[in-house]
Amino acid sequence: AQTVTQSQPEMSVQEAETVTLSCTYDTSESDYYLFWYKQPPSRQMILVIRQEAYKQQNATENRFSVNFQKAAKSFSLKISDSQLGDAAMYFCAYRPYLVGNMLTFGGGTRLMVKP
Amino acid sequence: DTEVTQTPKHLVMGMTNKKSLKCEQHMGHRAMYWYKQKAKKPPELMFVYSYEKLSINESVPSRFSPECPNSSLLNLHLHALQPEDSALYLCASSQDRDTGNTIYFGEGSWLTVV
Repeated sequence: AQTVTQSQPEMSVQEAETVTLSCTYDTSESDYYLFWYKQPPSRQMILVIRQEAYKQQNATENRFSVNFQKAAKSFSLKISDSQLGDAAMYFCAYRPYLVGNMLTFGGGTRLMVKP
Repeated sequence: DTEVTQTPKHLVMGMTNKKSLKCEQHMGHRAMYWYKQKAKKPPELMFVYSYEKLSINESVPSRFSPECPNSSLLNLHLHALQPEDSALYLCASSQDRDTGNTIYFGEGSWLTVV
């Protein structure tokens, strides 16, 4: 069974600074997808970024980028120029490229942004 | 803006009531999901519908009854719930079930059982 671990229950960052959220996963599969979702107090799960395991290039979306280390099974999220609206719960998730396999979520990291 | 719409956003029900949660998506997705999320925890998968047929039931108690009337709609019928069933119920959809397509979530329905 796959597992996803987020070792930082809470993180804080000063507005305009950079913060990195950690995620590791355990799998025996070679083809899979990784995601970061953001869940603000409104509770909607919002997709932040997606990475295909077969792509060596790290995904980026504006101020959000990942550091994907396939051999180390690590998938960290970097948020640059942090904004107050980035304050939320962040979930790392794994989905294998196999029939019928669903998302596995990490335990989440609560990010606080200080003005 | 979400393209997965859930109603109601908040629901309070007694343990003897019958109520329903509704979910709608207009992205042409053929897989739809119900998740349950307790406070400070990640979402837990409950049901998966693929092409309007139930394909996964994660051992959910029968007091939760899903229904997929068509490819755009997903309902969750609730009956004889317990206080421990109070949680955020998230609906989601993806292009299909069996590849790594991104799963998109709705805003959730916050359920309180009294």
